[in-house]
Amino acid sequence: EPEVTQTPSHQVTQMGQEVILRCVPISNHLYFYWYRQILGQKVEFLVSFYNNEISEKSEIFDDQFSVERPDGSNFTLKIRSTKLEDSAMYFCASSERQGHSNEKLFFGSGTQLSVL
Amino acid sequence: DAKTTQPNSMESNEEEPVHLPCNHSTISGTDYIHWYRQLPSQGPEYVIHGLTSNVNNRMASLAIAEDRKSSTLILHRATLRDAAVYYCILTGGTSYGKLTFGQGTILTVHP
Repeated sequence: EPEVTQTPSHQVTQMGQEVILRCVPISNHLYFYWYRQILGQKVEFLVSFYNNEISEKSEIFDDQFSVERPDGSNFTLKIRSTKLEDSAMYFCASSERQGHSNEKLFFGSGTQLSVL
Repeated sequence: DAKTTQPNSMESNEEEPVHLPCNHSTISGTDYIHWYRQLPSQGPEYVIHGLTSNVNNRMASLAIAEDRKSSTLILHRATLRDAAVYYCILTGGTSYGKLTFGQGTILTVHP
């Protein structure tokens, strides 16, 4: 069964450093998302992306965050200058289509980001 | 976004049916009811969704009340692998890919 792949599974970085989290969505999917989950807290929406543009973003997704689809297969989340509070599990997701309330999202296993 | 209410936790024995309830009294007519689950150290996983009628798939069944103000996810025979956090989520409006996760129900399955 096709799946969303995320790399690395764990990332440790120093505060103030830039990190790039990588995702390979399911190949025929056109809509991509990033979510995060701080330890012990809810899964939170960060951003949705379609046709090389951000469709929607949350308040969390400030100027320190950016997303990109650099080629036909990868989808990345960049945090320019990491803060301690960015430590979380980051999940990438994709869906075949958007614009439908009954659409299913497929999530990756996540990248655990630890900012020291 | 319309809100959902779920019990914090439930327990079951292996091979027994499990009924996970969800209340969504402010649901709008166009909101779909989705269920996702999150196994330990994994990303959320789609389970099932429905609008008005009851739904069945290979993972579970979804029973939707006639007034749509509540729904129940039914696992027909719980296995140890079904131990997870189960989220009931309403989707609708214009934020189609934006799922609003609550705390969910922690399901413990005893051997």
